Amino acid sequence: SQKIEQNSEALNIQEGKTATLTCNYTNYSPAYLQWYRQDPGRGPVFLLLIRENEKEKRKERLKVTFDTTLKQSLFHITASQPADSATYLCALEDSGGYQKVTFGTGTKLQVIP
Amino acid sequence: DAGVTQSPTHLIKTRGQQVTLRCSPKSGHDTVSWYQQALGQGPQFIFQYYEEEERQRGNFPDRFSGHQFPNYSSELNVNALLLGDSALYLCASSLVSEAHSGNTIYFGEGSWLTVV
Repeated sequence: SQKIEQNSEALNIQEGKTATLTCNYTNYSPAYLQWYRQDPGRGPVFLLLIRENEKEKRKERLKVTFDTTLKQSLFHITASQPADSATYLCALEDSGGYQKVTFGTGTKLQVIP
Repeated sequence: DAGVTQSPTHLIKTRGQQVTLRCSPKSGHDTVSWYQQALGQGPQFIFQYYEEEERQRGNFPDRFSGHQFPNYSSELNVNALLLGDSALYLCASSLVSEAHSGNTIYFGEGSWLTVV
């Protein structure tokens, strides 16, 4: 069966360090992989999208890698700040004609001042 | 420019009742998707509407139905509510012509449904 796995345990990190979150998937051939941020009680907010033929994507302090051989994406936040504390969701979009997105369970990041 | 708006924000229903949730997509968007998010879980895809038709459906029973209006707004209906239907219901909008081009999907803040 198809699975998207993110570390369900919360990740605690010291302010200023780099946070690295992992997303592994099985039985998928995604055309795109997306990362979202979700704050408690709010809807997800889109952060980054990476295509299957891209290895790495950057946006300000964020970096995403995508390894289709390992079936894994890594999401990095450099120089982390307490304001980065949130749940981060990995999502896959298949290559079909419609924009259907399947989400992982998310990893909660806590940046400690 | 208003983003995705959903109503109501919170509601409480009794088992067996029916509920209707509403969504107005971001201005210019023509595609609406609905997701159910239980506590501690990621959003689960319910279905997607485009041109007033259901295009795709996730693994949800027929008790979940929807509609899209000519102005692209959408409704999610859930009949015969069960306790397990308690969740955050999220609406997401996008533009079909930009699908697979890396366009952003916008989510609303959701409707919290509690079934007692």
